[in-house]
Amino acid sequence: SAVISQKPSRDICQRGTSLTIQCQVDSQVTMMFWYRQQPGQSLTLIATANQGSEATYESGFVIDKFPISRPNLTFSTLTVSNMSPEDSSIYLCSVDGVGLDTQYFGPGTRLTVL
Amino acid sequence: EDKVVQSPLSLVVHEGDTVTLNCSYEVTNFRSLLWYKQEKKAPTFLFMLTSSGIEKKSGRLSSILDKKELSSILNITATQTGDSAIYLCAVEDRSNTGKLIFGQGTTLQVKP
Repeated sequence: SAVISQKPSRDICQRGTSLTIQCQVDSQVTMMFWYRQQPGQSLTLIATANQGSEATYESGFVIDKFPISRPNLTFSTLTVSNMSPEDSSIYLCSVDGVGLDTQYFGPGTRLTVL
Repeated sequence: EDKVVQSPLSLVVHEGDTVTLNCSYEVTNFRSLLWYKQEKKAPTFLFMLTSSGIEKKSGRLSSILDKKELSSILNITATQTGDSAIYLCAVEDRSNTGKLIFGQGTTLQVKP
């Protein structure tokens, strides 16, 4: 398994501002992902964070709104830019790859935008 | 379009009851089906089912994959209040390694 931490665990932000969420894993992993879970909804994949190159975004998500960094095999950040109340969600990072038997999720960041 | 559908969306039972949660999928290149339990924020892994492992059991929980019917069930016997959670079904698409497609989830409430 993998031990994953996320910071912050929760935040309340004002409309128009940006928030950067960090995801740290206790071992090197091949794949890191960012998901969003809007209130009452299931998880939706935002993007795959690629080490050393630009993230791969899913349909409906763009780099300008959700810039992602992955400087090494244990760390990634997701920024939610120019936030609006519709961005209020739980944001989760997950990891998978060689040495892991399945995909594991971090504890999540609960974001509220006023 | 790939999709995963769970039913029921919510369920209320009493302690000691047995529940069956359903998951059906339409995925172009099926690789595996996963069940997660979500309390508060983070989904925790329960089972992974593949073509080579279509039945899994852990304590009071068990799951079966029916590749012919493109579906899976999650059974919980002798339910306890601690089983109250959202149960998520996800399918991994072989063509997009690592990408999980999630169902809507089933919210289970177990009353004392």
